[in-house]
Amino acid sequence: DTEVTQTPKHLVMGMTNKKSLKCEQHMGHRAMYWYKQKAKKPPELMFVYSYEKLSINESVPSRFSPECPNSSLLNLHLHALQPEDSALYLCASSQPGPGSSGANVLTFGAGSRLTVL
Amino acid sequence: SQQGEEDPQALSIQEGENATMNCSYKTSINNLQWYRQNSGRGLVHLILIRSNEREKHSGRLRVTLDTSKKSSSLLITASRAADTASYFCATDDGGTNAGKSTFGDGTTLTVKP
Repeated sequence: DTEVTQTPKHLVMGMTNKKSLKCEQHMGHRAMYWYKQKAKKPPELMFVYSYEKLSINESVPSRFSPECPNSSLLNLHLHALQPEDSALYLCASSQPGPGSSGANVLTFGAGSRLTVL
Repeated sequence: SQQGEEDPQALSIQEGENATMNCSYKTSINNLQWYRQNSGRGLVHLILIRSNEREKHSGRLRVTLDTSKKSSSLLITASRAADTASYFCATDDGGTNAGKSTFGDGTTLTVKP
């Protein structure tokens, strides 16, 4: 299995809702990432989990809360979002992961398109 | 600002022509990667070139790296309509940021049938 699976593909939520984005990989990768991408812009790194521990938080607002229940799963919990948070949220995985001497080739999921009303 | 800046921002060519896009970066790097993104989808890794390499080939792709100029180019030969996508370079500057890829602004390629 060489895929990263993201659900849901599309999500529409109000500013008072709580929702979650989910990501799953079964490639044995030990690093997992959340990126945010606005239209016609490059992906921007949000969080990195390495060996199930949060290793990088790019000063993301607390209304985004990541969780890594096990080495195959990565969640992004969303609460009290703003309309400007509407974007494509991309999950990626790599082996071995940040901080190592090896090159990290990222395998991306297809993304979750989030619209905040 | 992003580590990588790409030019052109947009490129439109006819099928069969070659497409060249460039990436410039600011700090020294461990490696540079190129990714493709079809509209609204995830990114797909194309090729990686390490800082001690000058050129790599993969099928119709040719990547060069000039560390003295802090720049890289991606050449797609004999382009096809299916090559229509956005192309991003991503740099890994090593050190405490080893493995943390920073993406350039991207080049949008349109290949007309």
